[in-house]
Amino acid sequence: TQLLEQSPQFLSIQEGENLTVYCNSSSVFSSLQWYRQEPGEGPVLLVTVVTGGEVKKLKRLTFQFGDARKDSSLHITAAQPGDTGLYLCAGRKETSGSRLTFGEGTQLTVNP
Amino acid sequence: DAGVIQSPRHEVTEMGQEVTLRCKPISGHDYLFWYRQTMMRGLELLIYFNNNVPIDDSGMPEDRFSAKMPNASFSTLKIQPSEPRDSAVYFCASSLRGRVSEAFFGQGTRLTVV
Repeated sequence: TQLLEQSPQFLSIQEGENLTVYCNSSSVFSSLQWYRQEPGEGPVLLVTVVTGGEVKKLKRLTFQFGDARKDSSLHITAAQPGDTGLYLCAGRKETSGSRLTFGEGTQLTVNP
Repeated sequence: DAGVIQSPRHEVTEMGQEVTLRCKPISGHDYLFWYRQTMMRGLELLIYFNNNVPIDDSGMPEDRFSAKMPNASFSTLKIQPSEPRDSAVYFCASSLRGRVSEAFFGQGTRLTVV
């Protein structure tokens, strides 16, 4: 059983559409991060959220941390082919120190 | 800084052989993580170190896997003997201390055991 469950696992959409990716857990996290990974490379950090209810925006990407700090979402507005990639959420639990656990990822494909 | 450096980038080996993966973390980082990525299981944490000391190795699959960090600038992950089910991409990452610290990843080692 994954500590962090991401949905959907795969998403294929047309350029210009909006989408939301979810990251859920039954555990409370002291911080949650979203990473993006391209083929042949390691994941790269997009954002970190630490406060329940926190919302952060990065251009067309909006990240939200759940009030109870158990879940998070990533919303992309007007997706572009350059957004194609594997999106991974990762969390640190209060009781696990610096252990960083990743979700399974959401593979996003944006078609022109 | 050149970032996290892993070697080799690709490794093909026969079942039963010993495999050693290498990692050079970013200078000054306190933590080093080893992950394994597969389509079926995603990115799994194998082990992590704090100041060269192994803190949590609960993700290491079995005794065939071992990891060392003899100094702050070098770590190895060894598989002996290797099996086909060990085929995966292995990533090393390093970070500073703190709950908001970014994990910086290397480019990974793609291991194929035939």
